[in-house]
Amino acid sequence: TQLLEQSPQFLSIQEGENLTVYCNSSSVFSSLQWYRQEPGEGPVLLVTVVTGGEVKKLKRLTFQFGDARKDSSLHITAAQPGDTGLYLCAGLWNTDKLIFGTGTRLQVFP
Amino acid sequence: GAVVSQHPSRVICKSGTSVKIECRSLDFQATTMFWYRQFPKKSLMLMATSNEGSKATYEQGVEKDKFLINHASLTLSTLTVTSAHPEDSSFYICSARARWGQFYEQYFGPGTRLTVT
Repeated sequence: TQLLEQSPQFLSIQEGENLTVYCNSSSVFSSLQWYRQEPGEGPVLLVTVVTGGEVKKLKRLTFQFGDARKDSSLHITAAQPGDTGLYLCAGLWNTDKLIFGTGTRLQVFP
Repeated sequence: GAVVSQHPSRVICKSGTSVKIECRSLDFQATTMFWYRQFPKKSLMLMATSNEGSKATYEQGVEKDKFLINHASLTLSTLTVTSAHPEDSSFYICSARARWGQFYEQYFGPGTRLTVT
């Protein structure tokens, strides 16, 4: 079973703090995506990383794909209340199925 | 951008009845659609892969007779929860895969909240 473990499971921080979310697996993925989901809505794609070692930046968000394409991280600088949500990594398995990680629930307090 | 819609957004049904959820790709064709289930405060769990014109492929542990999937056209897939029970209450999310050249992107619908009473 291809399993994507995210850590931490929950994160509660003050506005302005930095944070990192990790997504780890023992499997190699063709590509890895990060999503954010609001309650009662579908997940929204933030970024796709494809190449081992790749780093992508999206404003205050920095995404990194591990060299072996088994893990990834999401770093948020100066978190804001609007960053609150469920963050999900998802790996593309066998170029066919998108398997989601266990999720990290982030709460940013003003 | 590519848009995926789901209907209904919320449905309440009585135990023993069946309910159908539609997933449509509005501005692109999707030969492959996926159905996910999400429990409260949990991640998305892949239920099945739906291919246009052929039978769906179900993930291990998902009852194919319970969750009927039909992908009748390149823009529509339906999930029917048959003889629903309270334990089927969940948030069901579909996604549609679009091909852009040699790359694929997967777009998600807004989800359907099913409550079985």
